[in-house]
Amino acid sequence: AQSVTQPDIHITVSEGASLELRCNYSYGATPYLFWYVQSPGQGLQLLLKYFSGDTLVQGIKGFEAEFKRSQSSFNLRKPSVHWSDAAEYFCAVKPGGYQKVTFGTGTKLQVIP
Amino acid sequence: AAGVIQSPRHLIKEKRETATLKCYPIPRHDTVYWYQQGPGQDPQFLISFYEKMQSDKGSIPDRFSAQQFSDYHSELNMSSLELGDSALYFCASSPLAGGGNEDNEQFFGPGTRLTVL
Repeated sequence: AQSVTQPDIHITVSEGASLELRCNYSYGATPYLFWYVQSPGQGLQLLLKYFSGDTLVQGIKGFEAEFKRSQSSFNLRKPSVHWSDAAEYFCAVKPGGYQKVTFGTGTKLQVIP
Repeated sequence: AAGVIQSPRHLIKEKRETATLKCYPIPRHDTVYWYQQGPGQDPQFLISFYEKMQSDKGSIPDRFSAQQFSDYHSELNMSSLELGDSALYFCASSPLAGGGNEDNEQFFGPGTRLTVL
């Protein structure tokens, strides 16, 4: 069964600083990988996804993520954080086909002025 | 573009009551998934349907049941509600199988927030 680890429960960064959120997955083959963002009380918004091909994927809101097979990682990055990025971020993994998505436990991002 | 529709968006029930949550997938999506997100938790998979048949089952209580109808919409029925059922319930849908990567993405609805008092 697949699993996802997000080692950082909370991260605080200053506005304008760079951001990296860590995600490690466990799965027998290369899974399909996703990053979602959730504001308090809101739904899940897809930031980006990796299926195959170029290991550096670009998403919305200036986010990008890099798939590293050797490290089983899919870390999310943003060069300059905005106050509106404060939210909870979930890394997720899914095998091919009609399989469930497994989410990590999430990382709460706080942005300070 | 059309998105997944969930109704109601908010629901307040008393303990031991029943609740029915509805999910309308994106047109031409034939697979529906239900997830439960408790307060401060990550979403947990409950159950899924493909072509109106149950395809997978997660940590869904026996008090809950679900089905997918001929128009592909799905309903999650919850009976004997408990305080611990208070959560955000997401529905997601996937498109028809046809090759390519797109059939691996699940499109999430806005969720139904259930509060059990």
